[in-house]
Amino acid sequence: EAQVTQNPRYLITVTGKKLTVTCSQNMNHEYMSWYRQDPGLGLRQIYYSMNVEVTDKGDVPEGYKVSRKEKRNFPLILESPSPNQTSLYFCASSLNGGLLLETQYFGPGTRLLVL
Amino acid sequence: GQQVMQIPQYQHVQEGEDFTTYCNSSTTLSNIQWYKQRPGGHPVFLIQLVKSGEVKKQKRLTFQFGEAKKNSSLHITATQTTDVGTYFCAGSNTDKLIFGTGTRLQVFP
Repeated sequence: EAQVTQNPRYLITVTGKKLTVTCSQNMNHEYMSWYRQDPGLGLRQIYYSMNVEVTDKGDVPEGYKVSRKEKRNFPLILESPSPNQTSLYFCASSLNGGLLLETQYFGPGTRLLVL
Repeated sequence: GQQVMQIPQYQHVQEGEDFTTYCNSSTTLSNIQWYKQRPGGHPVFLIQLVKSGEVKKQKRLTFQFGEAKKNSSLHITATQTTDVGTYFCAGSNTDKLIFGTGTRLQVFP
C-alpha cells in the first residue's frame, strides 16, 4: 500500500532533549516536506527537499534540522526542543516539486508536547 | 512573503444547507490545490486547479479558480454530516506550497 509513515505518532518530551521524528514514503517520490499545524495558523512549511541531498528552508525553519540521505526517508530533528515547538507535525511527499506541484500525500501526523 | 488567506475560519451549517469557503492569495499562483482534513486525521488531497477561470466539480463539490489566479473557492451543495472537517486551499508559484489557514466546517443533523 502506497503510504507515508511517521514515527512516533505521539511524543512528550522536556525542553532541550534532542529528538527525531522519522518520515518514510514507499512511493519513490522525489519531493518531501515537513509541516507544523497550529490552531488558527493552518499548515506551515518547515523544510522541504526536492531530491536526495537537496534540502531547503520553508517558512518556519528555526529550531529544526532535516536530512535527505535516501530518497524514501526525511527525518525531522529538533536539537534542543522548546515549548513553542509543541505542535502537530505532518510529513508529506509528492512525485516531483517545481512550479506545478503534484498532489501531496500526508503522513498520519506526530503530536509533540514539549514541557 | 506570499500569503494565502482563507475565510471564514469556522462555519456551522444545518445538514442540507450549502457551504462556501474562499481563498485569497497576495500573489498570482501557478496552481491551487484543495485538501480536506477530517477531525483527528491528516490532510487529504481533493483537487488541483491550474487554468485561469477553471471550474471543476466532484459530486456536490464545486471548485473555482479566479481569472487573475489569485483567488479560489470551494462550494458544497446540500451539506451532509460526512462533509465535517477542515478544508484547506494551498497555492504555489515557486517550489513551495503555501497553505491557507483553513475553514472548519461543522454540520448539524
